[in-house]
Amino acid sequence: GAVVSQHPSWVICKSGTSVKIECRSLDFQATTMFWYRQFPKQSLMLMATSNEGSKATYEQGVEKDKFLINHASLTLSTLTVTSAHPEDSSFYICSALSGRANLDTQYFGPGTRLTVL
Amino acid sequence: GENVEQHPSTLSVQEGDSAVIKCTYSDSASNYFPWYKQELGKRPQLIIDIRSNVGEKKDQRIAVTLNKTAKHFSLHITETQPEDSAVYFCAASIRKLIFGAGTRLAVHP
Repeated sequence: GAVVSQHPSWVICKSGTSVKIECRSLDFQATTMFWYRQFPKQSLMLMATSNEGSKATYEQGVEKDKFLINHASLTLSTLTVTSAHPEDSSFYICSALSGRANLDTQYFGPGTRLTVL
Repeated sequence: GENVEQHPSTLSVQEGDSAVIKCTYSDSASNYFPWYKQELGKRPQLIIDIRSNVGEKKDQRIAVTLNKTAKHFSLHITETQPEDSAVYFCAASIRKLIFGAGTRLAVHP
């Protein structure tokens, strides 16, 4: 149980285009999801907290107009990287908060590797 | 905000030896401390966690200890095996996870 999927698993796009990444909780409802970015050989950096039915909460230094987050249902959150540039190339990972095991356990998606040319 | 420091950044051990990774956190309100194992290109996998009302927790070869007063917590892996080789991250949480920088563990046969 507590499976989180992400789509796509990898994407290559041209500079200036927008890319949408989906995060789904497959067997549980997640009122809260999180989006992380991970550069090579670095740690996971929290970008934003996504709450179903309300606006996302962004971490300091993360541009909300560039990284659009929508959490329209209890099983789906999307991250759209707008006007992507090469410096946005990274591994983007989502996680979903499951209240079934305990209130804090986050289950991670498999990640999306974004390459901007 | 919360800040988590993790040491060492790399750790090399012989198979069968023990490995210890240490983390400190800054926000005394943090109440949940998970440890994740991440293999190259894969998602982080939760291996063990501990809450602030517990001082120690063990699961087979893995144990975690927490010292709330000193704001330290540590991961202990005994009888290490080559398949334990990966990057390990600690994290501290008050509803959102703040990760340490990671420890690259190499277990040599």
